[in-house]
Amino acid sequence: EADIYQTPRYLVIGTGKKITLECSQTMGHDKMYWYQQDPGMELHLIHYSYGVNSTEKGDLSSESTVSRIRTEHFPLTLESARPSHTSQYLCASRMSGGPLHFGNGTRLTVT
Amino acid sequence: AQSVTQPDIHITVSEGASLELRCNYSYGATPYLFWYVQSPGQGLQLLLKYFSGDTLVQGIKGFEAEFKRSQSSFNLRKPSVHWSDAAEYFCAVVAATDSWGKLQFGAGTQVVVTP
Repeated sequence: EADIYQTPRYLVIGTGKKITLECSQTMGHDKMYWYQQDPGMELHLIHYSYGVNSTEKGDLSSESTVSRIRTEHFPLTLESARPSHTSQYLCASRMSGGPLHFGNGTRLTVT
Repeated sequence: AQSVTQPDIHITVSEGASLELRCNYSYGATPYLFWYVQSPGQGLQLLLKYFSGDTLVQGIKGFEAEFKRSQSSFNLRKPSVHWSDAAEYFCAVVAATDSWGKLQFGAGTQVVVTP
């Protein structure tokens, strides 16, 4: 079983608030990813990182930002949450050449 | 353009019956292929993967998948479904040369298992 953790599992927050979704992995994986998933839709890559101090934007434009100060930690931040940000956010990691391992996700609702 | 298609949005199957989920891809490069399963409220769990070699791959929970290059397909099968197989299943593809490993996912197939 992969060791990748996301907190919180569920978050309901008002418009305009700043939020940070946490993601940590204990496997020493160099590559980490954030996906956005809406019901009935495919996962969309919004951010990824190939190592410390490296971050890139994914295929889906997102107003969120990420940081990678430590190998095991890849938090995602929304400076000002809006209802359009309501979604499920999945964090994943992998070693080069290996499969993706996913966390259990954070379901965000912005009211 | 690269794409991954899962033609069936929703499948209902009786417990004990066989199951086949379809996945078609359109990729310019040699693909690596994956099937993931997602139970309600959970993240995605890897069922199986294909990188190269034998085109019939075995995975966890009794699942298997067959890579057919000529048909650009990677269909998932299980001979006898259990009630616990009710979940959403995602096919995913990445170019073998993509060192970033940015998987592209299909829209998913929801599987309902009836008694």
